[in-house]
Amino acid sequence: DQQVKQNSPSLSVQEGRISILNCDYTNSMFDYFLWYKKYPAEGPTFLISISSIKDKNEDGRFTVFLNKSAKHLSLHIVPSQPGDSAVYFCAAIPYNNNDMRFGAGTRLTVKP
Amino acid sequence: DTGVSQDPRHKITKRGQNVTFRCDPISEHNRLYWYRQTLGQGPEFLTYFQNEAQLEKSRLLSDRFSAERPKGSFSTLEIQRTEQGDSAMYLCASSLTETDNEQFFGPGTRLTVL
Repeated sequence: DQQVKQNSPSLSVQEGRISILNCDYTNSMFDYFLWYKKYPAEGPTFLISISSIKDKNEDGRFTVFLNKSAKHLSLHIVPSQPGDSAVYFCAAIPYNNNDMRFGAGTRLTVKP
Repeated sequence: DTGVSQDPRHKITKRGQNVTFRCDPISEHNRLYWYRQTLGQGPEFLTYFQNEAQLEKSRLLSDRFSAERPKGSFSTLEIQRTEQGDSAMYLCASSLTETDNEQFFGPGTRLTVL
């Protein structure tokens, strides 16, 4: 049961432009959402998170937006840099346990 | 390096053999998680510990899978009678407290079952 979906397996953007990665979820019990970044041969690295009581969280070049009514969140990276090239995973945690569910990931390529 | 470490990084085994993986979390972290990741998918939650107590194990893939954290520090994940479908990356993560949703992942152990 794919409760967290990332429908774009890949995304390519030019350096300096905005990268927008999207994520949809189906479980209304999710109340905390995270984005992880993964480089080859490494484990996922936490990037940014948002609680369901907020609709936006910003950290430097990274901003996560949450639309609870649409069960949709997105990660914006501005400006994109070649070092941002990685696989990005969206993840969600329900309020009643620690069963974190991940999407399948989106591979971002930022071209110089 | 004070991050999460996993050993071995790679394991090749024959079908039917037992394998055991080790995870050493960040030292002050009392929560430890195991995930499996297959090609083209995100990590899939398997089980987690609060100190030495295993609080969730219903999502372990079968009774061939078991995990321990005997002293509340390192943990082991064992797969008995391995099958080719067990081939995957096994990831370990740790977090500071039950209120900390940010998990720190290790590099993973890649298992290949021939």
